[in-house]
Amino acid sequence: DIQMTQSPSTLSASVGDRVTITCRASQSISSWLAWYQQKPEKAPELLIYKASTLESGVPSRFSGSEAGTEFTLTISSLQPDDFGTYYCQQYYNYPRTFGQGTKVEFK
Amino acid sequence: QVRLVQSGAEVKKPGASVKVSCKASGYTFTDYYIHWVRQAPGEGLEWMGWMNPNSGDTNYAQKFQGRVTMTRDTSISTAYMELSRLTSDDTAVYYCARDSKTNVFDIWGQGTMVTVSS
Repeated sequence: DIQMTQSPSTLSASVGDRVTITCRASQSISSWLAWYQQKPEKAPELLIYKASTLESGVPSRFSGSEAGTEFTLTISSLQPDDFGTYYCQQYYNYPRTFGQGTKVEFK
Repeated sequence: QVRLVQSGAEVKKPGASVKVSCKASGYTFTDYYIHWVRQAPGEGLEWMGWMNPNSGDTNYAQKFQGRVTMTRDTSISTAYMELSRLTSDDTAVYYCARDSKTNVFDIWGQGTMVTVSS
């Protein structure tokens, strides 16, 4: 199985900050990487797929990038609605695997 | 609009089985695979498997092989996930999710809490 490792596990930031979350795959997954946001007691929501393609309706302050097996989710200017936990997920092969999550908290 | 609506919370005893439903609306049910993902309390997301609503074909994560069965009723656009021989480790929220044409999970159900307790 492909292991997905996210960092950091928790992130404290202020409104307006630039926030970066990293996800590393244990092997090459090409660009088959998605990012999801999950609010407490809610289902995850798709933000980005194919490493850098923004899902329809997702604010442009979210962006994704890749460098080999390392992937990055960036929020250019953190907004109050951006709190929650972010997960990366590979869809290069089965079983689909997720990172352990990064919780974004407000300072 | 496109929605997946799941059945309500369940409480089961160890050794029992649970069957969770996921009703699709707003799109052609047989055009998109359905996946099941679970999340234990305070934990991350764990993929369980997929089902092709058109053919009924399935693919299960090895961890759940022999214990999970994914089925569908196309007449009512509903997918089902049945998990047997439950233990306390199966206590989790179970989500169904639609596999988009780009192979990611673009629509999720609201989740079904399954509690396994004696």
